[in-house]
Amino acid sequence: GQQLNQSPQSMFIQEGEDVSMNCTSSSIFNTWLWYKQDPGEGPVLLIALYKAGELTSNGRLTAQFGITRKDSFLNISASIPSDVGIYFCAGQLVGTASKLTFGTGTRLQVTL
Amino acid sequence: DAGVTQSPTHLIKTRGQHVTLRCSPISGHKSVSWYQQVLGQGPQFIFQYYEKEERGRGNFPDRFSARQFPNYSSELNVNALLLGDSALYLCASSLLQGINEAFFGQGTRLTVV
Repeated sequence: GQQLNQSPQSMFIQEGEDVSMNCTSSSIFNTWLWYKQDPGEGPVLLIALYKAGELTSNGRLTAQFGITRKDSFLNISASIPSDVGIYFCAGQLVGTASKLTFGTGTRLQVTL
Repeated sequence: DAGVTQSPTHLIKTRGQHVTLRCSPISGHKSVSWYQQVLGQGPQFIFQYYEKEERGRGNFPDRFSARQFPNYSSELNVNALLLGDSALYLCASSLLQGINEAFFGQGTRLTVV
């Protein structure tokens, strides 16, 4: 099935550093969502974006809906050990009201 | 308030068997979607149900079926299990169809041997 392209695939950073990841597609999306998934758990919704150019924050997390509607970005500031996990972007394609298309995931590891 | 609950949490089945997975959405949510997540990949859409009707179907064989009950809970059924059906099956609930703030349960880990 179709998946969005996320980069980087994985990253290893030190506590306190800022993190950036992005999600790209060749198709246009109406909605972008960012999720975090811990091992053995379901994805947890972090941020939802509904308009091109929209910039939304949730604590140390900030996400943007790309102007072209084909990409989205997630930034985490001042990372802490509990930020460890896999981050997924997900989008609702134009004309597909019923499903989310997920990215390939970015695995984040944080060291002290 | 309880979140999305799924049962069972883990399941081991033999090839060719049938399995039923269950999901209770967040109270007040009327839409339930099912996703399959194979190890190392993002979730793949299987079905969405809203008001007891199928509203969307992903690229999965007819061995996969689902239904939604009057209380908005849902079942996912898979017949004639294959080894490749081994995955984490996730249920997501949304307030309405088309409202894509989807909240996921903890999943059911299905292993087919």
